[in-house]
Amino acid sequence: EAQVTQNPRYLITVTGKKLTVTCSQNMNHEYMSWYRQDPGLGLRQIYYSMNVEVTDKGDVPEGYKVSRKEKRNFPLILESPSPNQTSLYFCASSLNQGSNQPQHFGDGTRLSIL
Amino acid sequence: GDSVTQMEGPVTLSEEAFLTINCTYTATGYPSLFWYVQYPGEGLQLLLKATKADDKGSNKGFEATYRKETTSFHLEKGSVQVSDSAVYFCALSEGFGYGQNFVFGPGTRLSVLP
Repeated sequence: EAQVTQNPRYLITVTGKKLTVTCSQNMNHEYMSWYRQDPGLGLRQIYYSMNVEVTDKGDVPEGYKVSRKEKRNFPLILESPSPNQTSLYFCASSLNQGSNQPQHFGDGTRLSIL
Repeated sequence: GDSVTQMEGPVTLSEEAFLTINCTYTATGYPSLFWYVQYPGEGLQLLLKATKADDKGSNKGFEATYRKETTSFHLEKGSVQVSDSAVYFCALSEGFGYGQNFVFGPGTRLSVLP
């Protein structure tokens, strides 16, 4: 089954404790991205990657890091999480960077930073 | 920059009522347009898309027409069901030489009452 898998689905942690949210897709997609969803703000893009070893900042990259060492994986790293990063996070992928390609989303990761 | 505006709701309808969710956009070029649906506890799923002016996207009884002259992509359904209760996101995508710009609206929550 074609899917985007995120882990964990839920995480409660404390300020400053490094965490990683994993994202994996099995569709051989080139393009992957991370979003955060906050009430009234919709989805905002954090980082995206057009292919292996190619990443770039989205609209709200501060406080986040990503890596793309393999085509299928695109982890999101919070080196020193803060309470304002409490949010619902989605990983997405698409076949390539063409504008007519829809994105496929994971089920989301709810992070609470205390 | 690119942006998407949609009615935020919540929208509450009775079963079998007619649905319209307005969406307008601003973009520098010729974007592709999408509607995504998010059911409780899940990620976003592509509902329909249109890639050029006057295209009509349709799926599961939902329709939307790409109107370049009014920069709009309104979502409609003739007869909603309780199972249509969800959050609906309008989005656009523009591909550039250096990557893909995917922008979401804030989402519209729809509740359908039996």
